[in-house]
Amino acid sequence: NAGVTQTPKFRVLKTGQSMTLLCAQDMNHEYMYWYRQDPGMGLRLIHYSVGEGTTAKGEVPDGYNVSRLKKQNFLLGLESAAPSQTSVYFCASSTTAWQGFIQYFGAGTRLSVL
Amino acid sequence: RKEVEQDPGPFNVPEGATVAFNCTYSNSASQSFFWYRQDCRKEPKLLMSVYSSGNEDGRFTAQLNRASQYISLLIRDSKLSDSATYLCAVILSGGSYIPTFGRGTSLIVHP
Repeated sequence: NAGVTQTPKFRVLKTGQSMTLLCAQDMNHEYMYWYRQDPGMGLRLIHYSVGEGTTAKGEVPDGYNVSRLKKQNFLLGLESAAPSQTSVYFCASSTTAWQGFIQYFGAGTRLSVL
Repeated sequence: RKEVEQDPGPFNVPEGATVAFNCTYSNSASQSFFWYRQDCRKEPKLLMSVYSSGNEDGRFTAQLNRASQYISLLIRDSKLSDSATYLCAVILSGGSYIPTFGRGTSLIVHP
């Protein structure tokens, strides 16, 4: 019962470094999402995907890129990390409309950019 | 005005109390509504979906008021383990089916 798995769980970067966060789901969900969560700000959508090979921008996409080459994986990239990207990142996947649009979240990645 | 709004709290209540939270949404075309629970430093998890007729799951009752554009969550007989942040989520009809989350309401249940 893996559900949604995020790697890594923690990471510290220096300003300007790059990294990729990996999200994998084993529930055959079409929809996948990347959120960031900052204190007092709730969940803010970065990018999302409605199917393999498709991606779209969310509320706060600047500084991030994504790819969905395989249905089960959704990658979030930071090309040149900035201190403002220090946050907790959550990946999620969701069921379809007729199944109720229920989202399942990964355990999160805690990223610090120094 | 933010699309989905919640009182951040914290709501500080004793064990056994009844507590209620509201979540207001601005778009009348919203079609699907949810309550998620998030424990400290953990991921959100679905608590319950909110149906037009309302729904109940043990000590938890969710209701939808379309006329006033809000959903509510009622917790009866609060337990220490209910301490968490409660997030509401709303999905618009006819759109891309992407949920918009409120910022969450913090609940602290004390002995």
